[in-house]
Amino acid sequence: GDQVEQSPSALSLHEGTGSALRCNFTTTMRAVQWFQQNSRGSLINLFYLASGTKENGRLKSTFNSKESYSTLHIRDAQLEDSGTYFCAAELAGNTGKLIFGLGTTLQVQP
Amino acid sequence: GALVYQYPRRTICKSGTSMRMECQAVGFQATSVAWYRQSPQKTFELIALSTVNSAIKYEQNFTQEKFPISHPNLSFSSMTVLNAYLEDRGLYLCGARYNERLFFGHGTKLSVL
Repeated sequence: GDQVEQSPSALSLHEGTGSALRCNFTTTMRAVQWFQQNSRGSLINLFYLASGTKENGRLKSTFNSKESYSTLHIRDAQLEDSGTYFCAAELAGNTGKLIFGLGTTLQVQP
Repeated sequence: GALVYQYPRRTICKSGTSMRMECQAVGFQATSVAWYRQSPQKTFELIALSTVNSAIKYEQNFTQEKFPISHPNLSFSSMTVLNAYLEDRGLYLCGARYNERLFFGHGTKLSVL
């Protein structure tokens, strides 16, 4: 949506390489979550961050609320990482409602 | 992550009819449940946010009269799409909140003939 600007909209990687996805926020957000949507439509929760950096396997995410952005880094990409990645942010002072970005469609090629 | 079971996975209904979808949190109690609709273009719209023992909050463009929600306990929620028409097509997702994180079921893909 307008409050969450996600880039790039599409990304192609070869196996073993890496890249970063980014979300910029036009207003103050209290937290961000990152999701992967697979080919069957299932949304998998990857990270929740209220601040700082978290790492899980080949994925690392950072949320900087002061500078209003969040990133998701993928390293050593594998075929199963293909899918659409969404960031979703929660407005400061508003509990519960997540505003989704438009997604980044990632295709990992052999 | 936490498991959320949503059913049916897909449904087809005739224009003007209604369909109900259900959402079950498996092995945990959700502090709230959010119902979203994802359009064919992949954009997400929040329909309503439901917290047990509190009024359900519907977003603009969505009403209780059109999308009635039942949330009787911390593990179960259901939503009905009444009088479905073409513009109601999409993937309906329930998200159960647990420890700040939102966990989604597989979604219910609604097609309208």
